[in-house]
Parts: sequence; C-alpha cells; structure tokens
Amino acid sequence: GAGVSQSPSNKVTEKGKDVELRCDPISGHTALYWYRQRLGQGLEFLIYFQGNSAPDKSGLPSDRFSAERTGESVSTLTIQRTQQEDSAVYLCASSLRPSGELFFGEGSRLTVL
Amino acid sequence: QKEVEQDPGPLSVPEGAIVSLNCTYSNSAFQYFMWYRQYSRKGPELLMYTYSSGNKEDGRFTAQVDKSSKYISLFIRDSQPSDSATYLCAISGYSSASKIIFGSGTRLSIRP
Repeated sequence: GAGVSQSPSNKVTEKGKDVELRCDPISGHTALYWYRQRLGQGLEFLIYFQGNSAPDKSGLPSDRFSAERTGESVSTLTIQRTQQEDSAVYLCASSLRPSGELFFGEGSRLTVL
Repeated sequence: QKEVEQDPGPLSVPEGAIVSLNCTYSNSAFQYFMWYRQYSRKGPELLMYTYSSGNKEDGRFTAQVDKSSKYISLFIRDSQPSDSATYLCAISGYSSASKIIFGSGTRLSIRP
C-alpha cells in the first residue's frame, strides 16, 4: 500500500480481555516501531524491529504486552488482560533505514472499560 | 532523568509571530535530531531532520542543534493558523540499532 496501515482504527474492550492490534508497514521498510500515546501526551516508545535483528523490547511496560513481526512485513501488538490504564492510541511507524524518517499510521485507539 | 525533555506548553501566539520550540537531551552520543508535527487525531509527520550541530532551514522553519549544550530548537517564522498542531522533537542514533525516542510534545496554537 501507499502508507502504513493500522487496524482496527478503534477498539473498545472490557477490562481483562485480550486485544490484538495490527500494523502493515510500507513495503521495503526494514524498521518498524510501536508507540503508545495517551491523551494529550507525547509518544511512549514500546518496541522496535529492525530487519532480522532481535527486537528492542525495552519500552514494553509489562509482560502483558508483546509484539511480533513476520520478516519485514506485518506486525501485531498484543495486550493481554487489558487494564483501564492501557487506554491510549497505539501508533505504528515504519522506516526505510535505522534512524530514518518515520512514516506513521493513523493509529489504533484503544478504550478499556 | 528522561533521555529527552521537551517544554510541554501549551503555547499560544498571534499570527505572524516567531515561535521557538525547545528540547534537551541527556546522552551526548545521540546523532540524529528530528522534529515531527502532529495534527489532532493524526499520526505525526516529519518536519525537519538534522544530524549535525548548526542550523537547517526549510521555508519558514529552522531547526537548530547545539550538541555542546545538548539542546535542540525549532523556530517558525511568520506563523500561520495552519501551524497549530503538536510539535514533537525526536532523537536517535547512538548505535546502528538505536531506537527513535520522542519528547512529550508542545501543543502550539496560532491565533488569527
């Protein structure tokens, strides 16, 4: 596709449920990032995939959060046993090279009731 | 200490004013410095990208990096209402596998 695609765009779930967020990066982009943005806040780094290297998971806030990426393609961010504090917009971005320009998707807005 | 700190704002200025947005960072090894602009309910988009000390100009926007002070700035000249957005600084690059880290963002409003 022309840009980074994220789905779902909106997700409302009940506390304790698991959710899965999907990111389809720009074709050929080796780097893929997930960020979390709470209302009125900046971007909180979650995880970074670069090619076939081991991902940098240093930003994942707890073991309820995990992410996978298939080669240089789609990535999924999974949040298990969701809590109300997980409510935020989850942004995915891809880049042609490390430290290069990030192209962001529109985000997945998660609301945990 | 956070790796990058940004003045939170919000900032409100009249149309035509010069705007100064600032960030400081903690690790002198960072090499790449970026400014992103984010409109409401949209993903951020790259505005400026620099990798050395000094100034870089693009139209009404100037990015300034002072590595000795670990300080980066974005100046907007002749500000327009369409510049109203959240501006995020971002840093990266102390290794080839380095992640990109964002500041907390400054919300800017330009009054017509």
